Amino acid sequence: SQQGEEDPQALSIQEGENATMNCSYKTSINNLQWYRQNSGRGLVHLILIRSNEREKHSGRLRVTLDTSKKSSSLLITASRAADTASYFCATFSGNNNDMRFGAGTRLTVKP
Amino acid sequence: NAGVTQTPKFQVLKTGQSMTLQCAQDMNHEYMSWYRQDPGMGLRLIHYSVGAGITDQGEVPNGYNVSRSTTEDFPLRLLSAAPSQTSVYFCASSYSRTRGANYGYTFGSGTRLTVV
Repeated sequence: SQQGEEDPQALSIQEGENATMNCSYKTSINNLQWYRQNSGRGLVHLILIRSNEREKHSGRLRVTLDTSKKSSSLLITASRAADTASYFCATFSGNNNDMRFGAGTRLTVKP
Repeated sequence: NAGVTQTPKFQVLKTGQSMTLQCAQDMNHEYMSWYRQDPGMGLRLIHYSVGAGITDQGEVPNGYNVSRSTTEDFPLRLLSAAPSQTSVYFCASSYSRTRGANYGYTFGSGTRLTVV
């Protein structure tokens, strides 16, 4: 069963705009990770945020985590056509050593 | 520096046929795992291995077998394929299960399997 659920399921924006994707989860976690999947390829790890962190940056990526609301958001600033991909959140719970992936957000960046 | 290599990339099977999906990594990772990806669903864990000779079941193990005779290879076997096994299969690895969970996994590019 899924742990994380991404919202929206699909997002289409123009190049240069910011893209925001959200992830909600149900149980307590140790960390939350975001992955990117280009069409026909495997997932690539982007960024990880731990349960005691509230915000993290990596280049044009900004991730926030609100453990009280059990939600996270991924912001891609100044998007590029090359950012077109599916983005997945994955939650890790140390209680059962369990990592669960959401169904993903399909991002399309139009040039 | 190949990373995680999966073969074949595409496969069509008839119901009842058997086949093995191959996964190999050259990073000396102890932890390897198999996921399936279906439309509208997250990746679901099929089987995993924390080292050579050690395997365990994930969330959806039925219909699949695995073995781990070497650190490098972790094949996934379908003994009698069913249409419900039509999916995209991903192999993922990390130095350890805990390390992967805390620093991320390395994924292969996937095998797209269709069972007719």
